[in-house]
Amino acid sequence: DAGVTQSPTHLIKTRGQQVTLRCSPKSGHDTVSWYQQALGQGPQFIFQYYEEEERQRGNFPDRFSGHQFPNYSSELNVNALLLGDSALYLCASTWTSGYTGELFFGEGSRLTVL
Amino acid sequence: GNSVTQMEGPVTLSEEAFLTINCTYTATGYPSLFWYVQYPGEGLQLLLKATKADDKGSNKGFEATYRKETTSFHLEKGSVQVSDSAVYFCALSETGANNLFFGTGTRLTVIP
Repeated sequence: DAGVTQSPTHLIKTRGQQVTLRCSPKSGHDTVSWYQQALGQGPQFIFQYYEEEERQRGNFPDRFSGHQFPNYSSELNVNALLLGDSALYLCASTWTSGYTGELFFGEGSRLTVL
Repeated sequence: GNSVTQMEGPVTLSEEAFLTINCTYTATGYPSLFWYVQYPGEGLQLLLKATKADDKGSNKGFEATYRKETTSFHLEKGSVQVSDSAVYFCALSETGANNLFFGTGTRLTVIP
């Protein structure tokens, strides 16, 4: 049983560019959340997708957007990249109807903005 | 608003030493509390949780008790091992929500 998988593992972009990160949730999970983890900090909630819609959103600008597909996989898009967007981006999955309080995290996509 | 404050690290202990990592929180209502751990090269994983006041979460020899009166959820282990070396995050979620608010993390290094 594959856990949460994310791609790419690492990527480098320059300021002003756009990036797309991808996530496949753990088998059986229908809810995907994205977190940003800056160096030396704890993860910060960006948003959550359920039934292909954004259900909750943290305190992030509109440059951050996402999508969930019918197979529950998800993308995170960041436009007009800033140096401060350099971070580890984590995807977490769970299933809403059977939520027990545990989120399952991928290993993350490390984005460097130059 | 919701926030979590963890003791700053890094923490370095000898094998078999006693571990305490302090965590306090601010939240509206009655949150659930969690400790997540990030081992080198791995994703975050749940270590233990408590969903109401006075609950004790435990796993792998680690324990934490939900203290509403002191708004705390300190992590303890009686005898740490080298394999416990990792970054530990305290987190909370609001009642009925499944997004997490994390502390800044505490890096633990256990030396033989």
